Parts: sequence; C-alpha cells; structure tokens
Amino acid sequence: ETGVTQTPRHLVMGMTNKKSLKCEQHLGHNAMYWYKQSAKKPLELMFVYSLEERVENNSVPSRFSPECPNSSHLFLHLHTLQPEDSALYLCASSQGTSSYEQYFGPGTRLTVT
Amino acid sequence: AQKVTQAQTEISVVEKEDVTLDCVYETRDTTYYLFWYKQPPSGELVFLIRRNSFDEQNEISGRYSWNFQKSTSSFNFTITASQVVDSAVYFCAWGQGGKLIFGQGTELSVKP
Repeated sequence: ETGVTQTPRHLVMGMTNKKSLKCEQHLGHNAMYWYKQSAKKPLELMFVYSLEERVENNSVPSRFSPECPNSSHLFLHLHTLQPEDSALYLCASSQGTSSYEQYFGPGTRLTVT
Repeated sequence: AQKVTQAQTEISVVEKEDVTLDCVYETRDTTYYLFWYKQPPSGELVFLIRRNSFDEQNEISGRYSWNFQKSTSSFNFTITASQVVDSAVYFCAWGQGGKLIFGQGTELSVKP
C-alpha cells in the first residue's frame, strides 16, 4: 500500500449504530487529520493530530470520537449519528503541522439512515 | 478570520481551450501558505502546489501555471490546452500551522 488509505470506502449506518472509520498513512508523516466534506460546502477540518496528540478539535460534536494510536493510524469512532452527518470523510497526513502540504486518502462515503 | 473564495462554481470548456480558475483569500496574517488541490470523480484530493506568502514568483509546471498576487490577495490557476482528464473539482486553500481553510471549489468540465 502507498500513500493514505481509508476503510471502508462506503458505509451505511443507522442512527443507533456504532461504527469506526480507519485511516492509515504509509508516508512516514507525523501529523494526521480528519475532514468532513458535505455536498455544496467547503471541506471542514474536524481534528488534527501531531505526534499522536490531538492538537485541534474544531468544535466537533461528541458523537465523533477520534483516536490516534500511533503516527501511522487514525480512527474516527461514530455513535448515535444524525442524517445530517452523511458526508464524505477524508483523512490526510503531512510531514508536520507547519503548513506542509497534506496528502489525502480516497475518503469514506458515509450515509446515515 | 481567514476566508477563501472561489467565485466560479462551475466552468465548462472545450478541449484545448485555456482556462483560469480564480482564488481570492482574506487574512491578516503576514506568514501563510496557499495551496491548490484537484479532486477527480474518484474523490481523492490530489495536491498540486504550495506557495508561501513571501514568494510571489509565478510558477509553471507543464500545462499548469499559477499567478500569486499579494496586492490583490489572489492565487489564480491556469490550465493551458485543457484535456478531458482535467475534469475535476479544484480547491484553493489557505494554510498556517497545519490548519487548511478551503474554498468552495470550482467544478471544471472539459468536453471533447
């Protein structure tokens, strides 16, 4: 595997389900990010991790819970989501957080029913 | 607060035409970075370029060129002799300290 991978690519879940999104980067980077991309809206930064520590939480509801066990893996745990949470969730990584370019994964298309 | 505006929501051109995608940003910071990303139908954002706020030199990479003008807070992107494979959504972004603020994106459609 190369670059940034995300699984699953598609996910349909009910509002009472619990699921997790997984991201893995194979670039040797030490910063990872979660973004939300909704239709007709700009990408929204959700969380930033640097050296496995969360350095930014962009006012994201607690039903989204990130986890970064090491510098190569990032998870987004989901529970009791709402239909408006349906979106493309993108993971990215970068060499550091000093405005290095970020490399993105293919995203997980989430539908909440 | 920082803001990025891409006023062109959709652009449609015929193959081999030149096309310019506009990007205007707002910031009070003196040190920052500007980026362009391409998002093809597959969904994955592809990094194209990063410029820092102190480097206003224009850049050319093959058919792509970028015009950074600090005086007008613009960072425009031109594709010369467009091709069908250039069809995608293009995002301009402002960045500092790992935080990226994206514009709304411009959907470019290149028809054969």
